[in-house]
Amino acid sequence: DAKTTQPPSMDCAEGRAANLPCNHSTISGNEYVYWYRQIHSQGPQYIIHGLKNNETNEMASLIITEDRKSSTLILPHATLRDTAVYYCIVRARTGANSKLTFGKGITLSVRP
Amino acid sequence: DTEVTQTPKHLVMGMTNKKSLKCEQHMGHRAMYWYKQKAKKPPELMFVYSYEKLSINESVPSRFSPECPNSSLLNLHLHALQPEDSALYLCASSQVAGLAGVGEQFFGPGTRLTVL
Repeated sequence: DAKTTQPPSMDCAEGRAANLPCNHSTISGNEYVYWYRQIHSQGPQYIIHGLKNNETNEMASLIITEDRKSSTLILPHATLRDTAVYYCIVRARTGANSKLTFGKGITLSVRP
Repeated sequence: DTEVTQTPKHLVMGMTNKKSLKCEQHMGHRAMYWYKQKAKKPPELMFVYSYEKLSINESVPSRFSPECPNSSLLNLHLHALQPEDSALYLCASSQVAGLAGVGEQFFGPGTRLTVL
């Protein structure tokens, strides 16, 4: 079972920041927060991951709360091509919990 | 090369056919995965290979038979499938780096399978 909860959908205007929330209240100390997205009819694409510090790369920023029970993925300037299902996943990097278990994700619709 | 390729893109087969799906990566990754994704559902893990050895089988029916002939290739052999096996089959790969564990997975575009 997925260990995260996400709202089913959200939308944002093109050019604005998209803030995608995720709750993971049962996260263990050795588990990372990963974000993937899946554009329609394509394979999932890795976006970013973090353990406890905030992370930023060329695609997005990941903000993890101090208690690590929730996080937010930020797409700073959403474009129409960012319309996709976004999956928040918690996983360890070793052992049985290193599997990627996808939940239902959040469908982001970017409107012109 | 940071790509995972899958062939064929589309496959239609009858219930008595035998077919194979192929996945290839040249990133030096030593973990490879098969996932199944039904329409409007998230991907579900089927098999994991680590260093060319099957490490996880998520109770997949024996009509699906994985094979990892070398570190770059992963096959999924299909035999006597049912119409409910129609789905998008995704392959992925990731680094395995000792104490650093398993890295992020890179996915291929998938093979869309239809069983008649």
